[in-house]
Amino acid sequence: DAKTTQPNSMESNEEEPVHLPCNHSTISGTDYIHWYRQLPSQGPEYVIHGLTSNVNNRMASLAIAEDRKSSTLILHRATLRDAAVYYCILRDLYGQNFVFGPGTRLSVLP
Amino acid sequence: KAGVTQTPRYLIKTRGQQVTLSCSPISGHRSVSWYQQTPGQGLQFLFEYFSETQRNKGNFPGRFSGRQFSNSRSEMNVSTLELGDSALYLCASSSRGPFGETQYFGPGTRLLVL
Repeated sequence: DAKTTQPNSMESNEEEPVHLPCNHSTISGTDYIHWYRQLPSQGPEYVIHGLTSNVNNRMASLAIAEDRKSSTLILHRATLRDAAVYYCILRDLYGQNFVFGPGTRLSVLP
Repeated sequence: KAGVTQTPRYLIKTRGQQVTLSCSPISGHRSVSWYQQTPGQGLQFLFEYFSETQRNKGNFPGRFSGRQFSNSRSEMNVSTLELGDSALYLCASSSRGPFGETQYFGPGTRLLVL
């Protein structure tokens, strides 16, 4: 599976939008971009995933660059509950296993 | 639908002992994966079972083993425990659809080896 690069940490104010970047310059044409997050003392939780087009769900939006070498997870209005480690993962449709990097630790300030 | 459940939630063992952890996947999910999470190494893949067969294996010693039953429930076993095995052990079940696979994680079992 191709590698991803994320900032170690980010900070946001409550009720403001948050843009979490992920670089994946070696992505292949069949790699899906997955985002998971892990809240304190919990297992990781699925957030969103996509292939080429931007995706929206009730939790977040995923914006994928035209060349697919980067993507951005968008939380439209951060809440204190969104403070977590966010993982960006690439995985082929029939890939082996999910490879988690260190992720981005998001802090949300009241 | 009930989520992924793991038992026990907390466990304390001593070096040299063995331990068995249990995972019940979401109903209908046939794939179960196990991960180890430590502050130093992060989340590391242990192995995956699908329909009672080990499909993938991570880079862990043979002391780590697992199995899956016909009802998709899974167990992992660690023999001859070492201090470094202290970690959060996470189980995830998944459904494989036409647009990729989504994994659903349990709350984990926190193992402390003394």
